[in-house]
Amino acid sequence: DAKTTQPPSMDCAEGRAANLPCNHSTISGNEYVYWYRQIHSQGPQYIIHGLKNNETNEMASLIITEDRKSSTLILPHATLRDTAVYYCIALSGNTPLVFGKGTRLSVIA
Amino acid sequence: EAQVTQNPRYLITVTGKKLTVTCSQNMNHEYMSWYRQDPGLGLRQIYYSMNVEVTDKGDVPEGYKVSRKEKRNFPLILESPSPNQTSLYFCASSHLTSGRHHEQYFGPGTRLTVT
Repeated sequence: DAKTTQPPSMDCAEGRAANLPCNHSTISGNEYVYWYRQIHSQGPQYIIHGLKNNETNEMASLIITEDRKSSTLILPHATLRDTAVYYCIALSGNTPLVFGKGTRLSVIA
Repeated sequence: EAQVTQNPRYLITVTGKKLTVTCSQNMNHEYMSWYRQDPGLGLRQIYYSMNVEVTDKGDVPEGYKVSRKEKRNFPLILESPSPNQTSLYFCASSHLTSGRHHEQYFGPGTRLTVT
């Protein structure tokens, strides 16, 4: 699986958009980009995933660059409850889900 | 409500005393998996199951057993727990249909301490 690189931490003001970047320069053609988050000591929560096209759901938007070497998760209106560690993972087939260190997002009032 | 439940949520036990952590899902998911999460090591897969009576080892299966006799349940068994199995454990489930295998629902976690 492709290695992903994320900044260790970010701050975001409440109500503003949170843009979380992820680099995956070695991603292969059949690998999807998945995003999960984990609020302190709770179970991880699936957010969104994509292959090539941008994706949007009720939680977030995922923007994938045309060369697929990086992506950005966008939380359009961050709230205090969005404070969590966000994980970007490149996956294909039946390979297991493995979380790296992720980005610790702090939403500030 | 769609959910994955785990019991117990917290457990303190002694070395060698057999224990079982239960996991149940109500979403008719084919795939179920157990993970452990340790500081600095991230989430690691212990065992997984693609369907009833089908189980496979993950990355760190030593010291653990699982069974999948029913689709909804996937218990994790520690026959002889040791202190290095002190960890936060998560059960997860998902559909196996195309492209959805990694959309996993996680349980709330079981914090296990082995003394």
